[in-house]
Amino acid sequence: LAKTTQPISMDSYEGQEVNITCSHNNIATNDYITWYQQFPSQGPRFIIQGYKTKVTNEVASLFIPADRKSSTLSLPRVSLSDTAVYYCLVGLLSGGYQKVTFGTGTKLQVIP
Amino acid sequence: DADVTQTPRNRITKTGKRIMLECSQTKGHDRMYWYRQDPGLGLRLIYYSFDVKDINKGEISDGYSVSRQAQAKFSLSLESAIPNQTALYFCATSDSPKWAGDNNEQFFGPGTRLTVL
Repeated sequence: LAKTTQPISMDSYEGQEVNITCSHNNIATNDYITWYQQFPSQGPRFIIQGYKTKVTNEVASLFIPADRKSSTLSLPRVSLSDTAVYYCLVGLLSGGYQKVTFGTGTKLQVIP
Repeated sequence: DADVTQTPRNRITKTGKRIMLECSQTKGHDRMYWYRQDPGLGLRLIYYSFDVKDINKGEISDGYSVSRQAQAKFSLSLESAIPNQTALYFCATSDSPKWAGDNNEQFFGPGTRLTVL
């Protein structure tokens, strides 16, 4: 099971772009990279998933270099409501029984 | 109505008591999961089930048991609760992947806050 490493916390001002990097040096060939967001006292919520290069949706972008040993979640122009914990997960999500591990996540604090 | 519901939302109990946490879903998903969350430790997987006849242990299954009564229901039991099982418990569901690369997104319930005295 691939282990992930993320910064414990980050601060950002409103309106700035925030990049959260996750390291996953032992990612397997069939592993996907997924990011979840969790607000206090709520369950995590899926943000984005990718396998390689770049993925973008209405909420965020995910950048994955060619070696796939890391990934960066990019949140454009954050607002106070983006204050949350962000989890990077690596695992086989397209089938099979491999479990994914949430880890401790990155606590993002957006400052007015 | 919420797609994934958990009952109770809060529970205080005493050491040695048997406790059952229930999870129901209306999403029609095959896969269901139980996690616990402790401050500073993120979420840890307790058990997961990929269909009614399939139950698997997660990272921290000791002291817990589960029952998948139907596709829509997945219960977590603490046979004899102990104080270090005080935590926030989440149930989640996901659909079976339909194709390679299907994102298998997990949908979480609101959580149950359990305190064992």
